[in-house]
Amino acid sequence: QSVLTQPPSVSAAPGQKVTISCSGTTSGIGNDYVSWYQLLPGTAPKLLIYDDNKRLSGIPDRFSGSKSGTSATLGITGLQTGDEAEYYCGTWDSSLNVYVFGSGTKVTVL
Amino acid sequence: QLQLQESGPGLVKASETLSLTCTVSGGSVGSPTHYWGWVRQPPGKGLEWIGRIYYNGNSYSNPSLKSRVSMSVDTSKNEFSLKLSSVTAADTAVFYCVRMFDWNRHCDSWGQGTLAIV
Repeated sequence: QSVLTQPPSVSAAPGQKVTISCSGTTSGIGNDYVSWYQLLPGTAPKLLIYDDNKRLSGIPDRFSGSKSGTSATLGITGLQTGDEAEYYCGTWDSSLNVYVFGSGTKVTVL
Repeated sequence: QLQLQESGPGLVKASETLSLTCTVSGGSVGSPTHYWGWVRQPPGKGLEWIGRIYYNGNSYSNPSLKSRVSMSVDTSKNEFSLKLSSVTAADTAVFYCVRMFDWNRHCDSWGQGTLAIV
């Protein structure tokens, strides 16, 4: 059971927007940076967002990250079929002394 | 461009040791600027961070796995390795090698992953 809670799935039509929440603790999200990862079947996972809201070079600005207190959010605008994937948040937990990942969210483009 | 590639046996018997290697190209495991690590994903489940190793061999493992995990780095071959002992069916997973930006920071590069079945 993950210490970072994400919704199991979100969906929207092409061109629409989705947001994925990541709820954590004071020793995790509340204490350190959050990053977001995209997992597409058959490909290497990809870092999208780091340090709460910074996009990795080459990641389109359709992807955005934000954080408030012990929660973080990934937003995807202008949804495309290629965005269908699993998305995970991650952060260092200073109480557990381990890097923790969220429970994962499956994005479906309707 | 940095590339990481996992290798190792796809099938391991229960109670034995799983050994995986990550070969790095386009970067150096001997550089002090980053850490190198392992993440796994059991079938149908989420990601689990296994641990990290530094260029000088200093390593740290997830406390939940600590007693069974051993990591090493070989700068001459530009690769690093993971050993997971006393495996059970619960250790069946896709194993990814990663580069970490810092000891407690994001994984900025990932290998494609290798499935290890116990």
